[in-house]
Amino acid sequence: DAKTTQPPSMDCAEGRAANLPCNHSTISGNEYVYWYRQIHSQGPQYIIHGLKNNETNEMASLIITEDRKSSTLILPHATLRDTAVYYCIVRVANTGTASKLTFGTGTRLQVTL
Amino acid sequence: ETGVTQTPRHLVMGMTNKKSLKCEQHLGHNAMYWYKQSAKKPLELMFVYNFKEQTENNSVPSRFSPECPNSSHLFLHLHTLQPEDSALYLCASSQVGGGTIQYFGAGTRLSVL
Repeated sequence: DAKTTQPPSMDCAEGRAANLPCNHSTISGNEYVYWYRQIHSQGPQYIIHGLKNNETNEMASLIITEDRKSSTLILPHATLRDTAVYYCIVRVANTGTASKLTFGTGTRLQVTL
Repeated sequence: ETGVTQTPRHLVMGMTNKKSLKCEQHLGHNAMYWYKQSAKKPLELMFVYNFKEQTENNSVPSRFSPECPNSSHLFLHLHTLQPEDSALYLCASSQVGGGTIQYFGAGTRLSVL
């Protein structure tokens, strides 16, 4: 799996957009970008994933650069409940077997009043 | 509520005790996972089960013994643990073909005295 690099921490004011970057310069053509988050002392929660097109769901938007070497997770209107550690994971999808996820240290997002 | 339930949520045990952690998923998935998260460390995959068969053991010490009686239930049997085994133990499930979208339980916070 391709290695990812994320800033260790970020702050965001409540109500503003939170933009979380991830670098994955060694990504392969068949690898997807996945985002999870982990609120303190809970299990990780899947947010969104994409291959090369931008994706949006009810939780967030994912913007992937044209060369696919980096991506940005956007929380359009951050709330205090979005305070969490956000993990960017690059992985081949649908391998036909159970897949192991490799979590790095992620970005700790602190949303403030 | 993620559809993955872990019990107990908290457990304190002595080094000579035997205890078991339980995980149950109500999502119709056929792959289940155990992860360990020690303080200030990334999540570490411990075991993977595909259709009740163990397919991955990530060099876990034998004092941790997993059991998967069916696709909906997963246990982690603990015996003669060490204080450094104190951690958050997380269970996850997924479809085999979609193993990169995993659903996590809330975890069991284990303290070994």
